[in-house]
Amino acid sequence: AQTVTQSQPEMSVQEAETVTLSCTYDTSESNYYLFWYKQPPSRQMILVIRQEAYKQQNATENRFSVNFQKAAKSFSLKISDSQLGDTAMYFCAFMKHVSNQFYFGTGTSLTVIP
Amino acid sequence: EAGVAQSPRYKIIEKRQSVAFWCNPISGHATLYWYQQILGQGPKLLIQFQNNGVVDDSQLPKDRFSAERLKGVDSTLKIQPAKLEDSAVYLCASSRGTSTNEKLFFGSGTQLSVL
Repeated sequence: AQTVTQSQPEMSVQEAETVTLSCTYDTSESNYYLFWYKQPPSRQMILVIRQEAYKQQNATENRFSVNFQKAAKSFSLKISDSQLGDTAMYFCAFMKHVSNQFYFGTGTSLTVIP
Repeated sequence: EAGVAQSPRYKIIEKRQSVAFWCNPISGHATLYWYQQILGQGPKLLIQFQNNGVVDDSQLPKDRFSAERLKGVDSTLKIQPAKLEDSAVYLCASSRGTSTNEKLFFGSGTQLSVL
């Protein structure tokens, strides 16, 4: 199994501020995909953002953007203008190309403070 | 488009009993995943199917867990006999399985409590 590490078990941010969640991974694959998923208390996993490893350009989705450093095997998530609804567990995940094997990190619990 | 359906939503059993979970993936999705998520942890992959074949079951405790995906559509995950440490949320997910623009879609999960 691939290793995905999230070193920040818990984080908090003031509403409207910016926060960055860290993720590193270990793989010998050259082609793969990286994801950030959000899991609110309802347990529903929601896709936040997706990055293809062969693309150098960092993915963005509205207030969410990533900093993908392939050589360093780092994939951080930046949330701008944090909102109360962003409070959730955030999981970094890795998907192998072709086999589509999919592995999660340990998660970061984010709390947005009003 | 209908999402990934899972049932039951909750299940409470005593240790050594048996339990089964059901998953219906999004129509046309070839790949189906079962994950175990223990409270406070990230989901752990138990088994991955591509159509009705197994891609990865390296982390499935095969002495007590079994899973099948008949006709490459619905899937069931069974635990027999259950242990206290099996208390967790069991998540089912599916993807198209085409290796292009792939992403996983998740069901709402089954929360299992083993007493």
